[in-house]
Amino acid sequence: KNQVEQSPQSLIILEGKNCTLQCNYTVSPFSNLRWYKQDTGRGPVSLTIMTFSENTKSNGRYTATLDADTKQSSLHITASQLSDSASYICVVSLLSNDYKLSFGAGTTVTVRA
Amino acid sequence: KAGVTQTPRYLIKTRGQQVTLSCSPISGHRSVSWYQQTPGQGLQFLFEYFSETQRNKGNFPGRFSGRQFSNSRSEMNVSTLELGDSALYLCASSFGGANTGELFFGEGSRLTVL
Repeated sequence: KNQVEQSPQSLIILEGKNCTLQCNYTVSPFSNLRWYKQDTGRGPVSLTIMTFSENTKSNGRYTATLDADTKQSSLHITASQLSDSASYICVVSLLSNDYKLSFGAGTTVTVRA
Repeated sequence: KAGVTQTPRYLIKTRGQQVTLSCSPISGHRSVSWYQQTPGQGLQFLFEYFSETQRNKGNFPGRFSGRQFSNSRSEMNVSTLELGDSALYLCASSFGGANTGELFFGEGSRLTVL
């Protein structure tokens, strides 16, 4: 079972509207949680990275929140633009010296004019 | 500051052949990690190199191998290609390590196996 579950799998929104993506994880002990944006056929680009002590972090119109108690994170996109059409991937890091990154399957966002 | 560069961007091979992909990390980054991305499986970790040493390896067969040079540039090799190896191969560099440091991804190498 994947340790990082994202929902919804995909969504369609109208330009200018807001949307929220969800990420639930079971990874423990937790080190950090990251959100990436990946345009079709391109490499992922980092949006935010939060440690367990951070509750929220913003990057322009993107705001990520983290509840380490419930092991949930959300990514909120404000006033969506056509360029926000992409896949958004949640990545959780285990507190370890070894490589311990768990990837979500991603949420595909389509913004329509 | 130049980003992560991957070459080639696109390539087509036939079953049984081998392929070598290259990744040049951001200057000063010592960690390079490799990923396979397919529509059905999402991003899957292949291996991570740090200062020329393989630090971690994912659950892929021995046909997948890699190495890192003294200038931190990395290569991955896939031998005896199979149809299922068709994917986008991404590399990412980070300063301290993939687990703790921010990952900077390249644009990927799109491999098609016929």
